[in-house]
Amino acid sequence: EVQLVESGGGLVQPGGSLRLSCAASGFTLSSYWMTWVRQAPGKGLEWVANINPDGNDKDFLDSVRGRFAISRDNARNSLYLQLNSLRTEDTAVYYCARMISGYVPDSWGQGTLVTVSS
Amino acid sequence: EIVMTQSPPTLSVSPGESATLSCRASQSVGYNLAWYQQKPGQAPRLLIYGASKRATGIPARFIGSGSGTEFTLTISRLQSEDFVVYFCLHYNSWWRFGQGTKVEIK
Repeated sequence: EVQLVESGGGLVQPGGSLRLSCAASGFTLSSYWMTWVRQAPGKGLEWVANINPDGNDKDFLDSVRGRFAISRDNARNSLYLQLNSLRTEDTAVYYCARMISGYVPDSWGQGTLVTVSS
Repeated sequence: EIVMTQSPPTLSVSPGESATLSCRASQSVGYNLAWYQQKPGQAPRLLIYGASKRATGIPARFIGSGSGTEFTLTISRLQSEDFVVYFCLHYNSWWRFGQGTKVEIK
């Protein structure tokens, strides 16, 4: 069974940093593109970043480029999202997801809440 | 930048009836369109990808159609667990979600 478990969320002040982790199991992480998607409270879904299986090809939402970094450790079955220079508008539940067949997110984790507030 | 627009924002349907949800792209996205269902407090669940392919385990009651800029998700014989929120997603060249359609009990 495919499982994705996010962790690392919490309350942080504007300008602060957090590192989110996503532990993968039930599939071979090194074979898949992975993605992070966020959802502000009561709002819709917003794509944040993608990373290819080797970790050397990455895409970012314009509003997070230069502030967020995506990485992976296939040997540890883990995906990461480093969030720097956080803003109040970054407050959201952050989901990691596996991508299949032409880059479609299919399996999702339960999400981790990031709250940016003073 | 491609914009995905879902309509209507809220759809009122009686149990057992059918629901038709729309998703429009501001420019052609080919068949690179997926539909997700999201229940309160849960992660999205993939229903349809490639505009019309059902994901693993998705009942045949969920039918996706369309191409280019106009897409439709039809849910037949609505059951109690179907009255939640649905999102469309354009993927591949860029990733953009629609704002969602809430299906509520009439």
